[in-house]
Amino acid sequence: ETGVTQSPTHLIKTRGQQVTLRCSSQSGHNTVSWYQQALGQGPQFIFQYYREEENGRGNFPPRFSGLQFPNYSSELNVNALELDDSALYLCASSLNDAGLNEQYFGPGTRLTVT
Amino acid sequence: GNSVTQMEGPVTLSEEAFLTINCTYTATGYPSLFWYVQYPGEGLQLLLKATKADDKGSNKGFEATYRKETTSFHLEKGSVQVSDSAVYFCALSDRLTDKLIFGTGTRLQVFP
Repeated sequence: ETGVTQSPTHLIKTRGQQVTLRCSSQSGHNTVSWYQQALGQGPQFIFQYYREEENGRGNFPPRFSGLQFPNYSSELNVNALELDDSALYLCASSLNDAGLNEQYFGPGTRLTVT
Repeated sequence: GNSVTQMEGPVTLSEEAFLTINCTYTATGYPSLFWYVQYPGEGLQLLLKATKADDKGSNKGFEATYRKETTSFHLEKGSVQVSDSAVYFCALSDRLTDKLIFGTGTRLQVFP
């Protein structure tokens, strides 16, 4: 059974640029959630995708957007990067099944905005 | 809204000491409760969970009991090891939205 994978591992971008982060969900999972974890903080929910549709969104501006593909992998896109976007971005996959909602996390992508 | 509060760290213990990390929550309805662990430079790993009142989650010697009357889910371990050094996150999941709401994390440092 393959776990959740994310790419790239690390990324450095300049303020104002755009970035795309990628996530492959665990085999058999149909739901992907994205979280932002600032240094020294707990992860904050960005949004969730279920069967290619957005299924809930946290308190993040529209410049944070996402996609889920037919194979249930996912992308997180961030436009017009700001310094405060520097964080660890975590992807989690789960099987949307009667509210069991046990999420499995990938290792994360560390984004630094300069 | 829903929220999780956990004790601030770092928690510093000697090997084989008893561990308690406090976690309380505020939620409407009946959330599921989780403890996740994050080792240095890594993502989050699910440590244990409980889905209803009085459930006890356990794994690798760690335990936590879902206490609805005190809205708590304290993490305990009878004898910690150096390898338990990590950051521990308490979280809840709303059954309708499925998103996880995390506490700010508690760093545990165990010394030989």
